[in-house]
Amino acid sequence: NAGVTQTPKFRILKIGQSMTLQCAQDMNHNYMYWYRQDPGMGLKLIYYSVGAGITDKGEVPNGYNVSRSTTEDFPLRLELAAPSQTSVYFCASVGDPSYNEQFFGPGTRLTVL
Amino acid sequence: AQRVTQPEKLLSVFKGAPVELKCNYSYSGSPELFWYVQYSRQRLQLLLRHISRESIKGFTADLNKGETSFHLKKPFAQEEDSAMYYCALQAGNMLTFGGGTRLMVKP
Repeated sequence: NAGVTQTPKFRILKIGQSMTLQCAQDMNHNYMYWYRQDPGMGLKLIYYSVGAGITDKGEVPNGYNVSRSTTEDFPLRLELAAPSQTSVYFCASVGDPSYNEQFFGPGTRLTVL
Repeated sequence: AQRVTQPEKLLSVFKGAPVELKCNYSYSGSPELFWYVQYSRQRLQLLLRHISRESIKGFTADLNKGETSFHLKKPFAQEEDSAMYYCALQAGNMLTFGGGTRLMVKP
């Protein structure tokens, strides 16, 4: 199992550009999450999904969109990138919600200039 | 809204010394608390859950509801314990993280 994979590893965007951060998991987990981590700070939840076709906002959803058409994939879309979106983005998944262990991807480092 | 506070950004100890990483939380419901760890060049991973009441790699953490704390402790630190440690609180489907503490264990 590859676990949770994220692409790309690094990306530099110009202000106003758009991009999609990819996240996939091969563990058949229903729950998936997107976090951002700013320097020296903890992770903040952007969006999450409890299953295919179901998504919900987290703590900091503005400027982002998600979709969940399959159990495996949970892409995060940035429209009109802004410097405030410079961050490291982590995707995570949970298999057993009663146990609640989150399995994390390696992260995507995004810089908006 | 829930909140998790880790007051120390950096904790530096010598090998063999005791370690305590502090975590305080605020939450109106019954908390479910975790410690996650990120070793250098590795992914963030679960270290322990308060519900399991287990010891992992010599670390333990006790939930103190009166003091709203969930401090992580180890009696004798090892160099391989050097990492970033995050305390986290689960409320519904959402996990709220503290800002993290970097533990450095010096030889």
